[in-house]
Parts: sequence; C-alpha cells; structure tokens
Amino acid sequence: DTEVTQTPKHLVMGMTNKKSLKCEQHMGHRAMYWYKQKAKKPPELMFVYSYEKLSINESVPSRFSPECPNSSLLNLHLHALQPEDSALYLCASSTETGWNSPLHFGNGTRLTVT
Amino acid sequence: AQKITQTQPGMFVQEKEAVTLDCTYDTSDPSYGLFWYKQPSSGEMIFLIYQGSYDQQNATEGRYSLNFQKARKSANLVISASQLGDSAMYFCAMREVNTGNQFYFGTGTSLTVIP
Repeated sequence: DTEVTQTPKHLVMGMTNKKSLKCEQHMGHRAMYWYKQKAKKPPELMFVYSYEKLSINESVPSRFSPECPNSSLLNLHLHALQPEDSALYLCASSTETGWNSPLHFGNGTRLTVT
Repeated sequence: AQKITQTQPGMFVQEKEAVTLDCTYDTSDPSYGLFWYKQPSSGEMIFLIYQGSYDQQNATEGRYSLNFQKARKSANLVISASQLGDSAMYFCAMREVNTGNQFYFGTGTSLTVIP
C-alpha cells in the first residue's frame, strides 16, 4: 500500500466546474509535489512545496491553484479547466529536497475534463 | 541537452529471463542520485531502487539491481527472473545537489513480459 494517499481516484468535471484534488502523507516528509502525466509520457512537475511554502511553480496556468494547509496535506484546486488538462495527476513527497531523497508517489487522480 | 536518456521505448522479455533497461544521464554535479520507478497500467509510480554518485557498490533490491558505470554515465536496471507482473513502464530519474527540487525523468521504457 502506498503511504501517500490521493483522493479522488477518478474525477470527471466540466469546464465551468470547481473541484479539488487532495493528497495526504504521514511519513513526516517536508517536501510535497504535484505532477501532471499524460499517457505514455513521463511526469511533468507542476508545483513543489518545501516546509509548507511554495518553492517551485513551473509556469502552471492559474486555473490550477495549489495549497498546503499543513505539513501532511496538499491540495490542488481546479477551476475553469480545459479538455487538454485531462491527465493523471500525481502527488509525491520526499524527506527533503536533497539529491539522495526518493520521491514517494500516491496512486494518482485520473482527471477527465469534458 | 537531455538529463536522462532512455533509448528503448519498448522491450519484450520471456518470463523467468533477465532483462536490462538502459539509462544514461548527463550532469556536471559531483553529487547526484539515480532512481528507477515502475508504473503499471493502474498508474501508481513505484520506487524501485536508488544509486548515489558516491556509492562504490551497485545497488540491489530483491530481483532488481542497478548496473552503475559512473565513467560512462550509465545506470541500467537489471530485472532478474522476470514475472508477468513486471509488465509496466519503467522510468529512470536523477536528482542533483544543485537542483535538489528537480527530479529529471527519462521518457520511459515499456516492458512486456511474455508467458
């Protein structure tokens, strides 16, 4: 079982909807990440939180809004998405941002925008 | 330049045989980590094995081993005694000391195990 929990597993939303993706870890990790992955492609980094502060935003459109309420939780708020935003969204965490720390991923949320 | 290169888009292996998945990397940092992940069709990214740039021995984890050739900048994954459940995408990744927040992923190799 993965130690990073993502909800929901699947999400279908219209372009005018507002929804949120949730991620939780209880491993004491201080860095948390959002990735977007299209089929047969590697994950693409969206956001990084380090010690609950946003440290990287990879020029992600403002219709994606991250939030880190505490060290265990990471949210991704979605608003006015486009069909091309349909993808697998992966949350990950690591002990820190050091070069020898692996990422631990959740099972992902499969998002479909209609 | 690509940080991580995986040149095998797809690989096939007979069940119970060993298979090597290739990965080369590009960095000028002295401190870096190399990672392999498995992604089944269900979507979860499973961390398999890690090799640090200063490690003298090749990393091993059960049926997984990493053939680390530092001078050639390669970090190939060897899976021994392949099982049907090994069919998945495999991604090689790297993290560097100077860009710690960044995980550089390769394009992946799709492995199919044939019964």
